[in-house]
Amino acid sequence: NAGVMQNPRHLVRRRGQEARLRCSPMKGHSHVYWYRQLPEEGLKFMVYLQKENIIDESGMPKERFSAEFPKEGPSILRIQQVVRGDSAAYFCASSPGTELREKLFFGSGTQLSVL
Amino acid sequence: GQQLNQSPQSMFIQEGEDVSMNCTSSSIFNTWLWYKQDPGEGPVLLIALYKAGELTSNGRLTAQFGITRKDSFLNISASIPSDVGIYFCAGLDPESNSNSGYALNFGKGTSLLVTP
Repeated sequence: NAGVMQNPRHLVRRRGQEARLRCSPMKGHSHVYWYRQLPEEGLKFMVYLQKENIIDESGMPKERFSAEFPKEGPSILRIQQVVRGDSAAYFCASSPGTELREKLFFGSGTQLSVL
Repeated sequence: GQQLNQSPQSMFIQEGEDVSMNCTSSSIFNTWLWYKQDPGEGPVLLIALYKAGELTSNGRLTAQFGITRKDSFLNISASIPSDVGIYFCAGLDPESNSNSGYALNFGKGTSLLVTP
């Protein structure tokens, strides 16, 4: 059973370009979360999605950031007009639901570097 | 989200020693989780705690959910070199939106270095 798959592992963008980060949840998981990690910091929650629905985007910056989880295909985190401060590791996690004891599994992350 | 404070920030120990680290919050949590992160990888769940006072073990790891629901600790016994990594605590805020799923609050981590 494959784990949470994220690609690319590393992404380099120049200021002003767009970054698209992809996440395929574990098989059977319909809940996807995106977290951001700055150097020497813990992970910060960004957005929680179920298929075709954004459930909680309280951690997402209001501008330039968007996320989707279509009926078919991976979840996408999109950052438009990137700036240097967007440089971070972006982690996706999935779970089968939100009941107690249903665990959250993380992918290996995408390291975004903005030049 | 609520800030979690982890201590110590880093630890440098010899193989075979026991390790203890903790996590505190100014507000209560109803779930505490401990993760380990290796360089360039995502966090991996070590132990999950769901009830105040709960003490749970996973091999050489033991974690407890504090009675006040504002703290948790993680102990590692007889450390080995592969224990090296960053250990994060994470909590689920009971004040958060009931639909927010696993919108976890993470601490800044305890970095553990083990010398042979």
